[in-house]
Amino acid sequence: QKEVEQDPGPLSVPEGAIVSLNCTYSNSAFQYFMWYRQYSRKGPELLMYTYSSGNKEDGRFTAQVDKSSKYISLFIRDSQPSDSATYLCAPHSGNTPLVFGKGTRLSVIA
Amino acid sequence: DSGVTQTPKHLITATGQRVTLRCSPRSGDLSVYWYQQSLDQGLQFLIQYYNGEERAKGNILERFSAQQFPDLHSELNLSSLELGDSALYFCASSVGPDYGYTFGSGTRLTVV
Repeated sequence: QKEVEQDPGPLSVPEGAIVSLNCTYSNSAFQYFMWYRQYSRKGPELLMYTYSSGNKEDGRFTAQVDKSSKYISLFIRDSQPSDSATYLCAPHSGNTPLVFGKGTRLSVIA
Repeated sequence: DSGVTQTPKHLITATGQRVTLRCSPRSGDLSVYWYQQSLDQGLQFLIQYYNGEERAKGNILERFSAQQFPDLHSELNLSSLELGDSALYFCASSVGPDYGYTFGSGTRLTVV
């Protein structure tokens, strides 16, 4: 079983839709959970950072962590064409380098 | 501009050659990480340096090596290049292990 699994998509939604992006992981030592956004031909940029289980909201973005099922989600409300990118999840134990999922490619169609 | 500088942005070279990729971390960040990104493998961790010392090693080939200099910039050396080494190579830096990483814009390596 891979350490981090993520549906690669591509996922195509109309503008204004609610988007749900998901990851599963296998290492129960992961305590920090990050989402990165990567635009085409650019480096990944940190989007959301949560610690342990629960929800964290930042504008149109909500990160959700369920440690009991080793499942993490990113929700995007009122999606915009500018949200079109690849989204990478990266659960983290704090003392080892980040392991990334392969990323989900999202297209938001105007 | 993320604050992490990578040069060159693009590199085209022949099989069997050697190249050096350079990274300047964000000011104040002591950790530097190198990642390789290919279409089928995603972002793969290669190696980490912290304040000049190697801290962690990932799936880095023996043909590849890296170092971090006293001014904290880092270089990734790739030798005996093969077609399969064609990829995007990213450098990232962080203040410490509990913090997120700041990525550079990458070096796109094409081996022909």
